[in-house]
Amino acid sequence: GQQVMQIPQYQHVQEGEDFTTYCNSSTTLSNIQWYKQRPGGHPVFLIQLVKSGEVKKQKRLTFQFGEAKKNSSLHITATQTTDVGTYFCAEGSSGTYKYIFGTGTRLKVLA
Amino acid sequence: NAGVTQTPKFQVLKTGQSMTLQCAQDMNHNSMYWYRQDPGMGLRLIYYSASEGTTDKGEVPNGYNVSRLNKREFSLRLESAAPSQTSVYFCASGIGPGPYEQYFGPGTRLTVT
Repeated sequence: GQQVMQIPQYQHVQEGEDFTTYCNSSTTLSNIQWYKQRPGGHPVFLIQLVKSGEVKKQKRLTFQFGEAKKNSSLHITATQTTDVGTYFCAEGSSGTYKYIFGTGTRLKVLA
Repeated sequence: NAGVTQTPKFQVLKTGQSMTLQCAQDMNHNSMYWYRQDPGMGLRLIYYSASEGTTDKGEVPNGYNVSRLNKREFSLRLESAAPSQTSVYFCASGIGPGPYEQYFGPGTRLTVT
């Protein structure tokens, strides 16, 4: 079945360093969503990308959708301790109710 | 608005016991979902309900049943719990089929001994 892989699985960074997580699929994605889950919390929607090559920014977060729509990335500039958590990508196939989630990247920020 | 609520927050079951996890949303969403989250495996869809009165299997439905009681409520039942069902269970709701965002409840942490 379709799989969405994320790398890295874990990342420890010093506060102030940048962080990037990558989401890859063997098939073309109709869209990509990003969620953040704080430790002990639930996933919270961050953003959705639909168009090939799309780039969206939210303050220090930059989201990209690959030109071939087979990969996506989330980049955080100058991490803060509030960025700690697990970041998931997910595909919500158009017209279906089945969302495929990536395995997630757990980010730890050392103060 | 409470969003998506789940009960209970924690539960410990013995193998073979049954229980129902409750979920309710107050956002007037049509679609609702049940996921399980295991370490290193992300979120996996158990069942979903596109609208009141309909339910469908997701990726990992074995050992579970669901009921869409009305538009607000979607319950997940474990008829005979097994240790492999130890997990964190999340309910979610959304406006409709992909690609709309999903709103998640706080989760139920279930341990089966």
